[in-house]
Amino acid sequence: DAGVIQSPRHEVTEMGQEVTLRCKPISGHNSLFWYRQTMMRGLELLIYFNNNVPIDDSGMPEDRFSAKMPNASFSTLKIQPSEPRDSAVYFCASTQTGFGNQPQHFGDGTRLSIL
Amino acid sequence: TQLLEQSPQFLSIQEGENLTVYCNSSSVFSSLQWYRQEPGEGPVLLVTVVTGGEVKKLKRLTFQFGDARKDSSLHITAAQPGDTGLYLCAGAPGGYQKVTFGTGTKLQVIP
Repeated sequence: DAGVIQSPRHEVTEMGQEVTLRCKPISGHNSLFWYRQTMMRGLELLIYFNNNVPIDDSGMPEDRFSAKMPNASFSTLKIQPSEPRDSAVYFCASTQTGFGNQPQHFGDGTRLSIL
Repeated sequence: TQLLEQSPQFLSIQEGENLTVYCNSSSVFSSLQWYRQEPGEGPVLLVTVVTGGEVKKLKRLTFQFGDARKDSSLHITAAQPGDTGLYLCAGAPGGYQKVTFGTGTKLQVIP
């Protein structure tokens, strides 16, 4: 079975530009998580959805960040306008039920560089 | 916010040595997971522990959940280069509440 699929794998863009990251969760999983990973701050949860509904977005840094999940098989994380401090690896993960003890299945991440 | 502190942050050892990684918190968790992350990839689940005092073994890896369910340890026996990676613990408070990831331990095993 296919795992969590993220695109693009790498993105390099200039500050001020809009960036859209994409995620396809594992089929049948009803919870989806967006994380950001940096050396300084480790792995931080940005937002998570359950049955396509945002449950907790308290980790979203500021209004420049937005996330959507229009259906069970697709989610986007958008940054507009982007800034150099947004440079990080962004991961998407999905779980079957959303219960905290469920295994999280991660994609391979999008490495974002804002110049 | 529940914090999970891992120690050590970095560990570089020779192949064949033993090591222990710690994951500590002042909060109680209903379950705790350990993940390993290799460069260029996402974290992959190794184990979930749910009962205070529980010990689980995965080949040369031994995981223990503290009696009070506030801490955990990962012990690797006779480390091999393939064990190299970032080890992350993750605690779940219970129910549908979000998981908190630890600060991470970067392990390098030198052949």
